[in-house]
Amino acid sequence: KQEVTQIPAALSVPEGENLVLNCSFTDSAIYNLQWFRQDPGKGLTSLLLIQSSQREQTSGRLNASLDKSSGRSTLYIAASQPGDSATYLCAVYPGGGNKLTFGTGTQLKVEL
Amino acid sequence: AAGVIQSPRHLIKEKRETATLKCYPIPRHDTVYWYQQGPGQDPQFLISFYEKMQSDKGSIPDRFSAQQFSDYHSELNMSSLELGDSALYFCASSLNVRAGSNEQFFGPGTRLTVL
Repeated sequence: KQEVTQIPAALSVPEGENLVLNCSFTDSAIYNLQWFRQDPGKGLTSLLLIQSSQREQTSGRLNASLDKSSGRSTLYIAASQPGDSATYLCAVYPGGGNKLTFGTGTQLKVEL
Repeated sequence: AAGVIQSPRHLIKEKRETATLKCYPIPRHDTVYWYQQGPGQDPQFLISFYEKMQSDKGSIPDRFSAQQFSDYHSELNMSSLELGDSALYFCASSLNVRAGSNEQFFGPGTRLTVL
């Protein structure tokens, strides 16, 4: 059974800092990996999707990398802003299936 | 661009009542997924449909049923509601993986409160 873990569970940083969120998964036979952002009580906003054949994806200040063999993905956020405060979730697409398995989330707070 | 539509956005029910949640996928998406997110929890997969047939099943209680209709919208029916069913219910849609990408796009969710 696929298990997805995110470290740290919570993170508080000053504005302007670069930061890295980690996601690890136990079964490396994944199809894709996706990073989401969730504001309190709100829906899931897709940030980046990395296909299994890719090593990384970039969108603005966000960069996500994927290392299937080691079962890890990282989300790099450059020059963090208070508006980045949210919970960040990674989710893996299984090979041969379509149900996403979500990680435990990292709750990020960027302070002025 | 059109997104996934869910209705209602909020729903309050009593224990043992029934509830029906609706999901309208992005146009041309033929696959629909349902997820449940309890308070402080990560989303858990419930069930998915492709071309009106159930394609995968997760931790969906027997009290719940779902279906996908000919216009690809989906409904999640929940009966004999329990306090523990209070959660945010997300619907997502995608193209089928054979189309080259099965990236899932999520709706805003329906917040169900059972009193």
